[in-house]
Amino acid sequence: EVLLLESGGGLVQPGGSLRLSCAASGFTFSSYAMSWVRQAPGKGLEWVSSISGSSGRTYYADSVKGRFTISRDNSKNTLYLQMNSLRAEDTAVYYCAKPLRRSNGWFGYFDSWGQGTLVTVSS
Amino acid sequence: DIQMTQSPSSLSASVGDRVTITCQASQEISNYLNWYQQKSGKAPKLLIYDASNLQTGVPSRFSGSGSGADFTFTISSLQPEDIATYYCQQYDNLPPSLTFGGGTKVEIE
Repeated sequence: EVLLLESGGGLVQPGGSLRLSCAASGFTFSSYAMSWVRQAPGKGLEWVSSISGSSGRTYYADSVKGRFTISRDNSKNTLYLQMNSLRAEDTAVYYCAKPLRRSNGWFGYFDSWGQGTLVTVSS
Repeated sequence: DIQMTQSPSSLSASVGDRVTITCQASQEISNYLNWYQQKSGKAPKLLIYDASNLQTGVPSRFSGSGSGADFTFTISSLQPEDIATYYCQQYDNLPPSLTFGGGTKVEIE
């Protein structure tokens, strides 16, 4: 069974930093590109970032480019999202997501999601 | 960037009704269109991928169609457990990115 468990969310002041983690199990983690998707309270889904299985390629939404960094440790089956220069509009539940297809660089759609971790940016 | 326009934003229907949701892309996206169901307080669930393929384990009352820029999602006979928000999502390979539609909240009359 695929399990994705996010952690690291919390309350942070504007301009602050936070690092999210996603512990994966139940599949060959290094063989899949992985992604972060967020959802602001009462709003829709927004893709944030993705990383290839080998960590060689990373991709970001324009809204977070230059502030967020995605990374992974395949030896620990863990995905990360380092969030710097946080803004109020970054307040959201952050989901870790696994794509349906096993491919180093493909992340077209997601068949497994974590339960999400809430990030609140407020003074 | 490709924009996804989903409609309606909400709808109310009776149990047994046929429900249709549309999603329009700002440019042609072939069949790179997927549909998710999100129940309150839960993570999204993949229902349809590549416009018309039913994800394993998803009831056959759910279906998708379309290609190019116009897509349709249908629930053939609405059930009480289908109360949720539904999202379309496209993926672009050049450069790789994803965009979700604004969502459709489905309620029972």
